[in-house]
Amino acid sequence: SQTIHQWPATLVQPVGSPLSLECTVEGTSNPNLYWYRQAAGRGLQLLFYSVGIGQISSEVPQNLSASRPQDRQFILSSKKLLLSDSGFYLCAWSLTIFGTEVTGANVLTFGAGSRLTVL
Amino acid sequence: SQQGEEDPQALSIQEGENATMNCSYKTSINNLQWYRQNSGRGLVHLILIRSNEREKHSGRLRVTLDTSKKSSSLLITASRAADTASYFCATRLYYGGATNKLIFGTGTLLAVQP
Repeated sequence: SQTIHQWPATLVQPVGSPLSLECTVEGTSNPNLYWYRQAAGRGLQLLFYSVGIGQISSEVPQNLSASRPQDRQFILSSKKLLLSDSGFYLCAWSLTIFGTEVTGANVLTFGAGSRLTVL
Repeated sequence: SQQGEEDPQALSIQEGENATMNCSYKTSINNLQWYRQNSGRGLVHLILIRSNEREKHSGRLRVTLDTSKKSSSLLITASRAADTASYFCATRLYYGGATNKLIFGTGTLLAVQP
């Protein structure tokens, strides 16, 4: 069965420090991978998604970046954190969509989340 | 901007009552999904309804979709205290073909009092 791991679970970082959140998926190949951010009491904001190694689509211009060095590994980074980067970061995966509908292809499976507090 | 907006933002009911949450969206969709999030946890998929479907059931969940009004509703029947969570609708946008983006709404916080 497929599983998704996301770490660290909690992170407290000073303004201006770097960030690295990691997400890995097991039990599937060539998944679509996603990073969402959730501000306190708010909905989810899509930050990045990837359909393959090295293929990253950015949804929101900001000081965050994403990389996919391996098929099942997705990393969210920042060189210098801002106070506004605080939030709950969620990694998710879905089956690859090959043009036609694939059962379950549309459904996202989320990691447990990483809570980032920037002080 | 958010594609989906849930209504109400918060809902408090007694155990055994039914809970209804609504979602409105702005653009053409391929499908609409509902997810649940317990406090401080990741989201869990509940149910998916395609754009050519009008109603779908799964256990105590009933989802309707009205594409002419660009709206959906989630009904939880015979609610339980364990149903307490935030519920989000999410839309897979249609761009004349496959798209990989799933856009979430703002969520409804449901509290079921025992």
